[in-house]
Amino acid sequence: NAGVTQTPKFRILKIGQSMTLQCTQDMNHNYMYWYRQDPGMGLKLIYYSVGAGITDKGEVPNGYNVSRSTTEDFPLRLELAAPSQTSVYFCASSYDGSKDTQYFGPGTRLTVL
Amino acid sequence: DAKTTQPPSMDCAEGRAANLPCNHSTISGNEYVYWYRQIHSQGPQYIIHGLKNNETNEMASLIITEDRKSSTLILPHATLRDTAVYYCIVRLTGANNLFFGTGTRLTVIP
Repeated sequence: NAGVTQTPKFRILKIGQSMTLQCTQDMNHNYMYWYRQDPGMGLKLIYYSVGAGITDKGEVPNGYNVSRSTTEDFPLRLELAAPSQTSVYFCASSYDGSKDTQYFGPGTRLTVL
Repeated sequence: DAKTTQPPSMDCAEGRAANLPCNHSTISGNEYVYWYRQIHSQGPQYIIHGLKNNETNEMASLIITEDRKSSTLILPHATLRDTAVYYCIVRLTGANNLFFGTGTRLTVIP
């Protein structure tokens, strides 16, 4: 199993550009999550999904969109990039949401200039 | 909010036990204590979790006080590869996410 994979590893965007961060898991997990981590801080939840076709907002959803058309994939979309979105983005998955372990991907480092 | 308090940093000599404390004085009866760690620039890695009994796995031991207001993560023989930020997290019942604070930066010294 590859676990949770994320692409790209690094990206630089100009203000106003858009992009999609990809996340795929091969563990047949129902739950998937997107977090962001600013320098020196802990992770903050952006969006999560409890299954294909179902998504919900987390703590910091503004400026982002997600979709979950399959169990495996959970892409994160930035429509109009802003410098405040410069961060490291982590995708995670778990089989069950209530107390199951979350498995994290390696992260995408995004810089918006 | 993370509902936990951890020291910002700690040092530990290589080969010695690392004891990382965490206060969670407002924990509810059905909330679990989780520990994750994040090695530089990598995604967080699950270590261990518990409700009220002490727990041990191949990575670490978790000691939870009887009143559940605090806990200690023990790495029995710290190695240089254990240098990381360690997060103590109280998992809200029924919640679908983890609230990360700023954690404890553990540095293992040769």
